[in-house]
Amino acid sequence: GQQVMQIPQYQHVQEGEDFTTYCNSSTTLSNIQWYKQRPGGHPVFLIQLVKSGEVKKQKRLTFQFGEAKKNSSLHITATQTTDVGTYFCAGSNNDMRFGAGTRLTVKP
Amino acid sequence: EAQVTQNPRYLITVTGKKLTVTCSQNMNHEYMSWYRQDPGLGLRQIYYSMNVEVTDKGDVPEGYKVSRKEKRNFPLILESPSPNQTSLYFCASSRRVESPAYEQYFGPGTRLTVT
Repeated sequence: GQQVMQIPQYQHVQEGEDFTTYCNSSTTLSNIQWYKQRPGGHPVFLIQLVKSGEVKKQKRLTFQFGEAKKNSSLHITATQTTDVGTYFCAGSNNDMRFGAGTRLTVKP
Repeated sequence: EAQVTQNPRYLITVTGKKLTVTCSQNMNHEYMSWYRQDPGLGLRQIYYSMNVEVTDKGDVPEGYKVSRKEKRNFPLILESPSPNQTSLYFCASSRRVESPAYEQYFGPGTRLTVT
């Protein structure tokens, strides 16, 4: 069945440094979603990518969907303490599979 | 306010004592799902429902049951809980997840401890 792998599992950065998390699927996806979960909170939808090679930006966050629609990335420029949390990708085809998440901590 | 509610938020129980975690959404969503979240394993889907009276197994359905008699409710039932079901549980809903998918709205979570 469809599997979604996400790396790294943890990332600790100094405030102001960049951060990237990667998501890879074993099968071609129809779309991919990204969620953020703050410590103690629940996952909250960030964005969805549908088209091959699509790039979307939300302020300091840049999301990419690979040409083959099997991988995706989330890049945060100049991290802030408010970026702390776990970032999940979720690949969709006939159903949805979540990656294990990347937990980001930011040192002020 | 559009939301997904879960009850209880916290539960400590003993092995073998049947329990139900309720989930309700007020957005008229067709799709509802249950996930468990464990450290290092992310969100794993337990069961999902595409619509009323339609339920399907996710990745980790063993030891769980669900029902979807009404569109807004999707309870998770543990007939005989065991310690390996100690976890953080999330209910989620969306208009649908097959292409084109819609975002999932998550409930606040239920932290279950089985001793």
